Amino acid sequence: EVQLVESGGGLVQPGGSLRLSCAASGFIFSRYEMNWVRQAPGKGLEWISYISYSGSTTYYADSVKGRFTISRDDAKNSLYLQMDSLRAEDTAVYYCARIDIGVYYLDYWGQGALVTVAS
Amino acid sequence: QSVLTQPPSVSGAPGQRVTISCTGSSSNIGAGYDVHWYQKFPGTAPKLLIYGNNNRPSGVPDRFSGSKSGTSASLAITGLQADDEAEYYCQSHDSSPSGYWVFGGGTKLTVL
Repeated sequence: EVQLVESGGGLVQPGGSLRLSCAASGFIFSRYEMNWVRQAPGKGLEWISYISYSGSTTYYADSVKGRFTISRDDAKNSLYLQMDSLRAEDTAVYYCARIDIGVYYLDYWGQGALVTVAS
Repeated sequence: QSVLTQPPSVSGAPGQRVTISCTGSSSNIGAGYDVHWYQKFPGTAPKLLIYGNNNRPSGVPDRFSGSKSGTSASLAITGLQADDEAEYYCQSHDSSPSGYWVFGGGTKLTVL
């Protein structure tokens, strides 16, 4: 069974940093590209970052570019999101999601990790 | 402001048919990229509902169907049931460097 489990969320002050992790199981993690998607309170889904199966290619939404860094450790079957210079508008539930091979849709999602940026 | 435009809400009585529209542009849906749909209940992760415009993952009832034409797509739900009440999001790919995966703003379906 495919499982994605996020961790590392919490309360952080504006300007602070947080690192989210996503533990994958039930599939060959190294073969899949991955995304991070977030949902702010009362808002819709927003794609924020992509990483290729090799980790050599990454993309970011303009809203997080230069502040967030996506990475992966295939030996640990884990995806990460390093979030720096956090702002109040980064408050959201963050989901890791698997990209089905060769296509652009997200076939499995984690349960989400809540990040609250407030003083 | 989402790249893909969806109506904020739709409603229907049990047993009825409802449709949810998703309008994009020439850099995403109109460029030939497929449209996918997700169902989301409050406090839970999104679930893939329709992929590749009109394909259902295993386990999704055939009451759910999708279509695409030009720069728009639609999700249709027939035989509406109370547990269909959820938020529905369309998603596509975009050729713009500022946002490769683009979502609609979401549509809240209310079953009357």
